[in-house]
Amino acid sequence: EAGVAQSPRYKIIEKRQSVAFWCNPISGHATLYWYQQILGQGPKLLIQFQNNGVVDDSQLPKDRFSAERLKGVDSTLKIQPAKLEDSAVYLCASRLTGGSYNEQFFGPGTRLTVL
Amino acid sequence: GDSVTQMEGPVTLSEEAFLTINCTYTATGYPSLFWYVQYPGEGLQLLLKATKADDKGSNKGFEATYRKETTSFHLEKGSVQVSDSAVYFCALTDNQAGTALIFGKGTTLSVSS
Repeated sequence: EAGVAQSPRYKIIEKRQSVAFWCNPISGHATLYWYQQILGQGPKLLIQFQNNGVVDDSQLPKDRFSAERLKGVDSTLKIQPAKLEDSAVYLCASRLTGGSYNEQFFGPGTRLTVL
Repeated sequence: GDSVTQMEGPVTLSEEAFLTINCTYTATGYPSLFWYVQYPGEGLQLLLKATKADDKGSNKGFEATYRKETTSFHLEKGSVQVSDSAVYFCALTDNQAGTALIFGKGTTLSVSS
């Protein structure tokens, strides 16, 4: 079974530029999460999707971050414009829905450096 | 809100030493508890989990017991190996299945031969 795919793996941009990250979850996983992991900290949820609907985006800085999950499969996370403090690893995770607890599977992440 | 606190690192041990990484949590409900591991250059992997009080999660020689009375979920291993060198994260979700994980800051373990 293929895992969660993310691209690109690394990205370096200058502040005020725009950037987009892509995630392809495990086939059949209806729930998709984007987390931000700043160096030296644990991952923090940015947004959670159930199919193509948003379940939780309370911690997403909506003035600069946006995310979508068209057709309930792939997802894109965008930052526009980027700030220095956005330097982090952006992790995508997916999960089967329903029943008792099901594991979240994480992708390898995209490491963003904002100069 | 809910939160997780784990011991500061780095933790440096010799091969075959005993490992404990402390984790305590604050939650309003009855959370499920997890340990994730991140090996160098790799993604996060679930190491073990416990979904209710007094449950013991175990995997690859690691163990952790869900202690409701002390709100703790300490990670232990009797004899560490060099290959256990990684960053370990304690995490929780509330028991509403599917909610996002809340992570601690992570503890870096370095094992030397």
